[in-house]
Amino acid sequence: DAGVTQSPTHLIKTRGQQVTLRCSPKSGHDTVSWYQQALGQGPQFIFQYYEEEERQRGNFPDRFSGHQFPNYSSELNVNALLLGDSALYLCASSLLAGGVNSPLHFGNGTRLTVT
Amino acid sequence: DAKTTQPTSMDCAEGRAANLPCNHSTISGNEYVYWYRQIHSQGPQYIIHGLKNNETNEMASLIITEDRKSSTLILPHATLRDTAVYYCIVSIHAGKSTFGDGTTLTVKP
Repeated sequence: DAGVTQSPTHLIKTRGQQVTLRCSPKSGHDTVSWYQQALGQGPQFIFQYYEEEERQRGNFPDRFSGHQFPNYSSELNVNALLLGDSALYLCASSLLAGGVNSPLHFGNGTRLTVT
Repeated sequence: DAKTTQPTSMDCAEGRAANLPCNHSTISGNEYVYWYRQIHSQGPQYIIHGLKNNETNEMASLIITEDRKSSTLILPHATLRDTAVYYCIVSIHAGKSTFGDGTTLTVKP
């Protein structure tokens, strides 16, 4: 039973460029959440997707956008990259119907470096 | 989601119980307490969660005070592999979780 998989594992981009990160949720899960984790800090919630729609959003600018596909996989897009966007980007999946009893399952993240 | 307060770091001897505290004095009645841990270079891993009763699973025990303003995660027999950052989160659901900076637990031989 595959867990949450993310690609790529590492990425280097130049300031001003655009980037797309990908996530496949754990089998049986239908909800995908994205987090940004700066070095030495806890993960910060970006947004959550369910039924191909953004359901909740954290305090991130519109440069951060996403998409969820019919197979529940998801993409995170970041436009006009800034040096401060350098971080570990984590994808987490869960089952919405499970409610509080469906905790987050995380992938190992994509390390994005903006130069 | 309610804010949590955790010590920045803790040490524990291998084989002994590790007790990690968390304060969540502004927790509301429908918010659950979740614990995750993050081992270096990996994504966070779910450990346990509870509402008001004490909970136990194969990984740990969760003790929540009667007023629900604080909780303690207990790793009964810590091993070197338990060295990680431990996050305490309170939330009405698992989706949108607000992580603090957690407690860095170092298990020493």
